[in-house]
Amino acid sequence: SYVLTQPPSVSVAPGQTARITCGGNNIGSKSVHWYQQKPGQAPVLVVYDDSDRPSGIPERFSGSNSGNTATLTISRVEAGDEADYYCQVWDSSSDHQGVFGGGTKLTVL
Amino acid sequence: EVQLVESGGGLVKPGGSLRLSCAASGFTFSNAWMSWVRQAPGKGLEWVGRIKSKTDGGTTDYAAPVKGRFTISRDDSKNTLYLQMNSLKTEDTAVYYCTTVQVFGSYYFDYWGQGTLVTVSS
Repeated sequence: SYVLTQPPSVSVAPGQTARITCGGNNIGSKSVHWYQQKPGQAPVLVVYDDSDRPSGIPERFSGSNSGNTATLTISRVEAGDEADYYCQVWDSSSDHQGVFGGGTKLTVL
Repeated sequence: EVQLVESGGGLVKPGGSLRLSCAASGFTFSNAWMSWVRQAPGKGLEWVGRIKSKTDGGTTDYAAPVKGRFTISRDDSKNTLYLQMNSLKTEDTAVYYCTTVQVFGSYYFDYWGQGTLVTVSS
């Protein structure tokens, strides 16, 4: 089965840029989606299809995907961005399976 | 406004069964592909399974840990999604989320309910 690898934690000061990576074998050939989850809340989609944003998501959230790494970039980080972030792909190689990364805790210093 | 409201969670003994429901509104449920995603306490997200719309065949796919024990179904007349969970194990303890599945291009989960907690314990 397909595996997505994320760093457990990333820390950044307010106003700086946070980059959260998601590694997978030839992940650049897949579409990657990102979710934000704050404590006690349901996840929220923040980036889909590598780099598109749903309506209502600030332009500060962007994504890229190439080779074996996809990246969620959060510019001008705010205290309210502190949350867990998960990447996700769909694995159609054998069984059709949704796959999530292990999640990254973003801490705003 | 899309709304997904899960219900049916609770405490169940190992080996027992439970059925979760997800009431949907704010969109054409019969046209939607739907999914269940779970999250064990303090852990990450885990995809459970998916059901296509009846127009697209109504078929289901499941994650390996639940295949053969869990069944996803839908009642389009009631705008409701179900998750029948049998032979429950302690490791099935989690918050279970109902989601819509966006199917244009790749597959992702664009709307989520607030979740319902299932605790499997003796």
